[in-house]
Amino acid sequence: SQQGEEDPQALSIQEGENATMNCSYKTSINNLQWYRQNSGRGLVHLILIRSNEREKHSGRLRVTLDTSKKSSSLLITASRAADTASYFCATDAYSGAGSYQLTFGKGTKLSVIP
Amino acid sequence: DAGVTQSPTHLIKTRGQQVTLRCSPKSGHDTVSWYQQALGQGPQFIFQYYEEEERQRGNFPDRFSGHQFPNYSSELNVNALLLGDSALYLCASSLVTGVHDEKLFFGSGTQLSVL
Repeated sequence: SQQGEEDPQALSIQEGENATMNCSYKTSINNLQWYRQNSGRGLVHLILIRSNEREKHSGRLRVTLDTSKKSSSLLITASRAADTASYFCATDAYSGAGSYQLTFGKGTKLSVIP
Repeated sequence: DAGVTQSPTHLIKTRGQQVTLRCSPKSGHDTVSWYQQALGQGPQFIFQYYEEEERQRGNFPDRFSGHQFPNYSSELNVNALLLGDSALYLCASSLVTGVHDEKLFFGSGTQLSVL
């Protein structure tokens, strides 16, 4: 099952514009992570935000987390053609017996037009 | 520093056959997780191995099994293949720390096609 759900499913913008993707989830989490995937290959970790954090920055990336609304957003500023990829949110939550499980959403497909 | 490596990159099998996929974790990592990603979907958690034991498992049938070796590398075995098993299989490694904020490092995946 997939806990996280990204919105929109697809996004097309011009180079230089900002891109915003949203993620909603259902249960309490330990942390939330964003990953990027190019052309159906391996995923690359972008940023992790803990449940007690509200905002985090990394280069052109800005992530917010609202645990009361069970939602997160990823903002990519000044987008480039090379940012074209699928972006996934992943929620890290307790799954029982002392273990945590990372559960991915279905992703947002971002196209940046040169 | 070698990242996560998976083999083979592509595989074609027929229904009912068995398949073994292999993964070598990133240097220094001790935990391996396997994910299945169908076309247009997000990765679905299969299971995770730590200290040569299956630490947790997702909602996959017993046809999916795995193993972790003393050098931390891992195998994913799928028996009695079904058409629905066609997918990209991703291996991810991580390092267990005292603070549970592990991020995953992924390999490029094995594309399995079942005919």
